Amino acid sequence: EVQLVESGGGLVKPGGSLRLSCTASGFTFSSYSMNWVRQAPGKGLEWVSSISSSGSYIYYADSMKGRFTISRDNAKNSLFLQMNSLRAEDTAVYYCARRSTYYGDWFDPWGQGTLVTVSS
Amino acid sequence: DIQMTQSPSSVSASVGDRVTITCRASQGITSWLAWYQQKPGKAPKLLIYAASSLQSGVPSRFSGSGSGTDFTLTISSLQPEDFATYYCQQANSFPYTFGQGTKLEI
Repeated sequence: EVQLVESGGGLVKPGGSLRLSCTASGFTFSSYSMNWVRQAPGKGLEWVSSISSSGSYIYYADSMKGRFTISRDNAKNSLFLQMNSLRAEDTAVYYCARRSTYYGDWFDPWGQGTLVTVSS
Repeated sequence: DIQMTQSPSSVSASVGDRVTITCRASQGITSWLAWYQQKPGKAPKLLIYAASSLQSGVPSRFSGSGSGTDFTLTISSLQPEDFATYYCQQANSFPYTFGQGTKLEI
C-alpha cells in the first residue's frame, strides 16, 4: 500500500524554524517527483514546493522562496521541508503529496498532514 | 501566475441531484487540470486528471470536461458520501495553483 506520513509539525514562534519530514512507503520513492501543499485553517489549498525524483529540479511558490527549502533523501525514502523565518500566515496543515503515476503533475496520493502553528 | 476561479463557492443539493462545478483559468492551460475532493479533517483525494480522465477507483458518476480556460466537474447523481469540498488545480506551469474550492452541502 502506498503511504506517506508527515511529521515535524508543532508550535513555533514568529521568526523561528521548523523542519518537516515525509516518510514514504509502498512505492519506489526515487522514481517520483514529490510536493508540499499547505492549507491554512478553514482555507483552501496552496501549493508550496516541488522537487524532481533526483532532486535536480526544485520549484517554490513566490511567498516561500528564500525561506523554505525542499530536499529529499532517496536512500531513506524521505522528503523534507526546512522552514525558516516563519510568519503567522504560515500557520497551516502541511501535506506531502506524490506525483501521480499518470503523466502530468497531479498529486496522488497525499499524506495525512502535519499542523504547523506560528504564534507567540 | 495562473489564477483559477471556481464557481459557485458553495452549492446546496440533495441526494440524486446532478451537480456541476466550474473552474476557469486566467490563461489557457490546454488540459492540464485536475479535480480533488476533500472531506473535513482529511487529505484531498484525486478524482479527475488531464481535465477528463477518471482516477482509478473513482465512481463513474464523476466526470470532467473542458480545455483551454473553461472546465467543469459533474456529479451525475449525488450520493451521501459526495458531500465535501472540491478543488481544481492547474498543472500547466509553476507555480501550480488551486481554485478557492466549492463546498457541496445538503
